Amino acid sequence: AQSVTQPDIHITVSEGASLELRCNYSYGATPYLFWYVQSPGQGLQLLLKYFSGDTLVQGIKGFEAEFKRSQSSFNLRKPSVHWSDAAEYFCATSGTYKYIFGTGTRLKVLA
Amino acid sequence: GAVVSQHPSRVICKSGTSVKIECRSLDFQATTMFWYRQFPKQSLMLMATSNEGSKATYEQGVEKDKFLINHASLTLSTLTVTSAHPEDSSFYICSARPAGTTNTGELFFGEGSRLTVL
Repeated sequence: AQSVTQPDIHITVSEGASLELRCNYSYGATPYLFWYVQSPGQGLQLLLKYFSGDTLVQGIKGFEAEFKRSQSSFNLRKPSVHWSDAAEYFCATSGTYKYIFGTGTRLKVLA
Repeated sequence: GAVVSQHPSRVICKSGTSVKIECRSLDFQATTMFWYRQFPKQSLMLMATSNEGSKATYEQGVEKDKFLINHASLTLSTLTVTSAHPEDSSFYICSARPAGTTNTGELFFGEGSRLTVL
């Protein structure tokens, strides 16, 4: 069965520092992978997605993610974090008809 | 971008009453809408998938008689929590898949509805 795992429940970084949020997937074929961000009390916003092709995907707000089949990973990165990036981040994979979300990583940004 | 609107954003009700939450796609048609429940500091749990004009498909463990889902038009799906109890208090989020897209397409999410049952 398809699944995604986000090993880190909480991550704290200083503003201006680089960021990497981990996501591991489990799927036999090439998965469809997504990263979403959720601000407190809000819905989810798509940051980026991967279906095929170039394994380095650029998204909105300066985020990027790299698909690594050998490691079954799709980690989200940002070179310099801003205080406004503090939020909950969800990795997701798309099955035949529904999304499966990871448990989320809560990002805290220190001033 | 495509907009999905949920209403109400917050609702407080007494135990035993029913509450209806609406999910509207404002600028696109959605053949498929999804309803999620999110507990504090946890991930989204898919409750059910609703397809316009047909019965919703519920995930295992979700009571279909408790959580009534209707998808009567291509722009509106509703979730009714019947005979609500305090344990039903949660954050409910809907998402919509635009008509003509597949599972590779982006889902658009509503802002969520926080239900508090006293």
